[in-house]
Amino acid sequence: RKEVEQDPGPFNVPEGATVAFNCTYSNSASQSFFWYRQDCRKEPKLLMSVYSSGNEDGRFTAQLNRASQYISLLIRDSKLSDSATYLCVVMDTGRRALTFGSGTRLQVQP
Amino acid sequence: DAGVIQSPRHEVTEMGQEVTLRCKPISGHDYLFWYRQTMMRGLELLIYFNNNVPIDDSGMPEDRFSAKMPNASFSTLKIQPSEPRDSAVYFCASSPLALLANYGYTFGSGTRLTVV
Repeated sequence: RKEVEQDPGPFNVPEGATVAFNCTYSNSASQSFFWYRQDCRKEPKLLMSVYSSGNEDGRFTAQLNRASQYISLLIRDSKLSDSATYLCVVMDTGRRALTFGSGTRLQVQP
Repeated sequence: DAGVIQSPRHEVTEMGQEVTLRCKPISGHDYLFWYRQTMMRGLELLIYFNNNVPIDDSGMPEDRFSAKMPNASFSTLKIQPSEPRDSAVYFCASSPLALLANYGYTFGSGTRLTVV
């Protein structure tokens, strides 16, 4: 079983739509959580950290459920520029290295 | 800040040849990570260093792979001999400890390796 599991998609949505991605992780010792974004043939870049109380950054909302070991990302009012692969990422603080899910591909269509 | 710098950006080599990938982390970052990305396996951690010392190399696939960090501003990942299944994008990333838990790390642009 993979440490971090995501639906690979692709999610094809029209501009303006709301889309949600989910992710589960297997290591209950995971302490830090992130969503990274990766554009085609580019490096991953931090989109947002995920905090226990949930957090929002503009059109993006991240939620964490430690009991269920579940992380989500909600994108409201999708833009064409949101088209990318979204990577769910966890870190076991003791190990200090990030474990990446295989990513969920989003395609926003005009 | 120039960010994490990797070279070369692209490398095409023949099976059996030695390949050396290079990374310059962001100044002041005491953690350096090497990852490999393929379609089949996604992003996999190969090895990471703290203050130039290798901490965890459990992800290094086999003895053909080796990594060094002779000083705080330079690291290499070497494959000898290379094989076609080593074809992938290799990313280097760095972070200061103080930011790691809340901000993850910064990646370089990667080296796209093709072994023919």
